[in-house]
Amino acid sequence: AQRVTQPEKLLSVFKGAPVELKCNYSYSGSPELFWYVQYSRQRLQLLLRHISRESIKGFTADLNKGETSFHLKKPFAQEEDSAMYYCALSGLSNTGKLIFGQGTTLQVKP
Amino acid sequence: GAGVSQSPSNKVTEKGKDVELRCDPISGHTALYWYRQSLGQGLEFLIYFQGNSAPDKSGLPSDRFSAERTGGSVSTLTIQRTQQEDSAVYLCASSLSSGVRTDTQYFGPGTRLTVL
Repeated sequence: AQRVTQPEKLLSVFKGAPVELKCNYSYSGSPELFWYVQYSRQRLQLLLRHISRESIKGFTADLNKGETSFHLKKPFAQEEDSAMYYCALSGLSNTGKLIFGQGTTLQVKP
Repeated sequence: GAGVSQSPSNKVTEKGKDVELRCDPISGHTALYWYRQSLGQGLEFLIYFQGNSAPDKSGLPSDRFSAERTGGSVSTLTIQRTQQEDSAVYLCASSLSSGVRTDTQYFGPGTRLTVL
């Protein structure tokens, strides 16, 4: 079965500290992995996707097929990074439907 | 341009009543998705429309839930005989063309449904 697991409901760090939001997935084929973010009172939006191998707002995420992980990292957290982060998987051919994790709330304290 | 819009933004109903939630996707987007966001359950896929193809209803939790998409544009999610466990935020998303799995999904603001 396809599944995305985000083990932490809440991650609280101080400004300037490194951040790692964990995501593990279960999928037998070649998945596509995404991170979506929802800032307070804003819509859910795409942050980054693994195939782009890009850094967005200082965040990066590397797909590790051996560990079936797609952790989101940022070396120096900022207060404006405080939000809910969802890891998502798209693994079915010819659809784009996303399987989301439970979400992790990132709280960056001043 | 205009993003995905949803109405109403909030809906309070009594247990047993039917509700209809509306989604207007981004113009030109052929794929439309409904998700449900609830406490403790995260974001769950409900249903997906792609062009004129039969919808993928695999995520609908019960036969009380149904959805349609008229003219390949506006979609309505209907919940019959609502139950308290249906209380959640219902999100709609659209993308340019599914079948290309990397297409970005653009989400609406959601409809918060409360069943008393």
